[in-house]
Amino acid sequence: IAGITQAPTSQILAAGRRMTLRCTQDMRHNAMYWYRQDLGLGLRLIHYSNTAGTTGKGEVPDGYSVSRANTDDFPLTLASAVPSQTSVYFCASSDRGGASTDTQYFGPGTRLTVL
Amino acid sequence: AQSVAQPEDQVNVAEGNPLTVKCTYSVSGNPYLFWYVQYPNRGLQFLLKYITGDNLVKGSYGFEAEFNKSQTSFHLKKPSALVSDSALYFCAVREAHDMRFGAGTRLTVKP
Repeated sequence: IAGITQAPTSQILAAGRRMTLRCTQDMRHNAMYWYRQDLGLGLRLIHYSNTAGTTGKGEVPDGYSVSRANTDDFPLTLASAVPSQTSVYFCASSDRGGASTDTQYFGPGTRLTVL
Repeated sequence: AQSVAQPEDQVNVAEGNPLTVKCTYSVSGNPYLFWYVQYPNRGLQFLLKYITGDNLVKGSYGFEAEFNKSQTSFHLKKPSALVSDSALYFCAVREAHDMRFGAGTRLTVKP
């Protein structure tokens, strides 16, 4: 079982370009999440999806969009990248979206640099 | 809003000594608390969580955490540190979809 896979592993992107980060899970979890990790700030939630077909905004959603067409995939799109979006992006999943007690499991991350 | 704080950016211990990584929390309702570890260039790995019940929670790799309601703390502990425990540790508090992380504590275990 692979768990959560993310692609690409790393990417350098020119400002203004569009970029989609991919995330796939094989655990049949209902809920998925996108976080960004920045030094000294820990991880911050960008967007989430409690179940296929639904999405919601997290703590730092501006400049990002997501879709959840099926259970397994949860792509994150930067419509027009800016340097402040340089970060490490982590995808996560949990069995039940609204359950505070459920553990979130994380993918290996995508390191994105916007120049 | 709920939050956690990790007051130490860095913790250094000698191999074989006990270690503690501190975390305090602030919530309006019931606290659901988590500890994760991150090794270099890797994602976060779940260590343990507190939901309810026993204040001492045991987790992976010999780690445990003590929930203290009066001090609003959830410190991570291990009786005998290993060099391989050197990593970045994150405390988190969760309410529904919203999981808030601390800034992280870098643990270095020296031989």
